Amino acid sequence: EPEVTQTPSHQVTQMGQEVILRCVPISNHLYFYWYRQILGQKVEFLVSFYNNEISEKSEIFDDQFSVERPDGSNFTLKIRSTKLEDSAMYFCASILGLSGELFFGEGSRLTVL
Amino acid sequence: AQSVAQPEDQVNVAEGNPLTVKCTYSVSGNPYLFWYVQYPNRGLQFLLKYITGDNLVKGSYGFEAEFNKSQTSFHLKKPSALVSDSALYFCAVRDAQAGTALIFGKGTTLSVSS
Repeated sequence: EPEVTQTPSHQVTQMGQEVILRCVPISNHLYFYWYRQILGQKVEFLVSFYNNEISEKSEIFDDQFSVERPDGSNFTLKIRSTKLEDSAMYFCASILGLSGELFFGEGSRLTVL
Repeated sequence: AQSVAQPEDQVNVAEGNPLTVKCTYSVSGNPYLFWYVQYPNRGLQFLLKYITGDNLVKGSYGFEAEFNKSQTSFHLKKPSALVSDSALYFCAVRDAQAGTALIFGKGTTLSVSS
């Protein structure tokens, strides 16, 4: 069964450093998402991406965040200057069409020291 | 803007008993409704969805949910709980007429005792 893959599974970084989280969505899917979950709590929407541009973003997704689909397969989330409160599990997801279900990756745990 | 409420942080049931995990939603247009389950240190797994049609939808692992438009609810149910059902359950909604975001509730921990 096709799946969404994410790397790295865990990254530790110092406050102020840049971090890039990578995702390979399911190949024929059209919409791509990033979510975050702090300490196993609420799953918070960050951004959705369609047709090579951001289609929707939340108030969490400020200027420190950016997304990119550089090569038609990878989908990346960049945090420009990490803060302690960015420590969370980041999930990538993809979907074929808007009436379908999201397929989630296993997540990338980010720890900011 | 759409929102989801899961009023219970935790639901405790005995194995073999029926379970219900509650969810209510708010959207401007028609709702697309979903339930997901998360096991410790794992991603979210899809259980079931309501898009249109029959109000009672059946999903994975014997779970089902009933869409109630008048009460804006989409409660998750199972006739007979298993210990292995113990996990974190999330309800989610997307407004069919607006936006691409799927918005999640805060989650309900289901604990099934043997």
